[in-house]
Amino acid sequence: QKEVEQDPGPLSVPEGAIVSLNCTYSNSAFQYFMWYRQYSRKGPELLMYTYSSGNKEDGRFTAQVDKSSKYISLFIRDSQPSDSATYLCAMEKTDSSYKLIFGSGTRLLVRP
Amino acid sequence: DTAVSQTPKYLVTQMGNDKSIKCEQNLGHDTMYWYKQDSKKFLKIMFSYNNKELIINETVPNRFSPKSPDKAHLNLHINSLELGDSAVYFCASSSGQGTQYFGPGTRLLVL
Repeated sequence: QKEVEQDPGPLSVPEGAIVSLNCTYSNSAFQYFMWYRQYSRKGPELLMYTYSSGNKEDGRFTAQVDKSSKYISLFIRDSQPSDSATYLCAMEKTDSSYKLIFGSGTRLLVRP
Repeated sequence: DTAVSQTPKYLVTQMGNDKSIKCEQNLGHDTMYWYKQDSKKFLKIMFSYNNKELIINETVPNRFSPKSPDKAHLNLHINSLELGDSAVYFCASSSGQGTQYFGPGTRLLVL
């Protein structure tokens, strides 16, 4: 079983929809939770970063962490065709190794 | 003024050859990384250096040898290339936990 599980998709939604992307994890030592966006043939770009539990909002993006359920989510409001990309969740423990464990990524397609 | 840059962008080579990929960051970060992304988009860490010192060395064949001449540069040398080495290799850097910034990637194709 992988430490971080993520549905590969693809997830296809109409423009303007609310998108929900999720990851589950098995290791309770994870304390840092990130979402990266990766466009085709580009490097991953850091979107959101959360420490421990709670919500964080940045424009149309909201990240949620539920440590009791070992479940994290990224919500995208008013989705745009330019949001079409692969979204990768990533997690890190507090053991000073700076080692990120990634999910396999969810491919999102926002249809105009 | 690219934050994390890699060269070359593309590398096509024959099995058995030796090749190097270079990475530079101008963010002033202390920690740099090499990741491998396979055809299914799975991103896996290979190595990490903190201030020129190796801190993460995942179970990578010893044909792969990283080298950090200074904290702004991290190079990856691969000996005796194999078909299975074909992938996209990403360099990243960070100043602390949770905030890694990635380069544009080097697409390696071994024929």
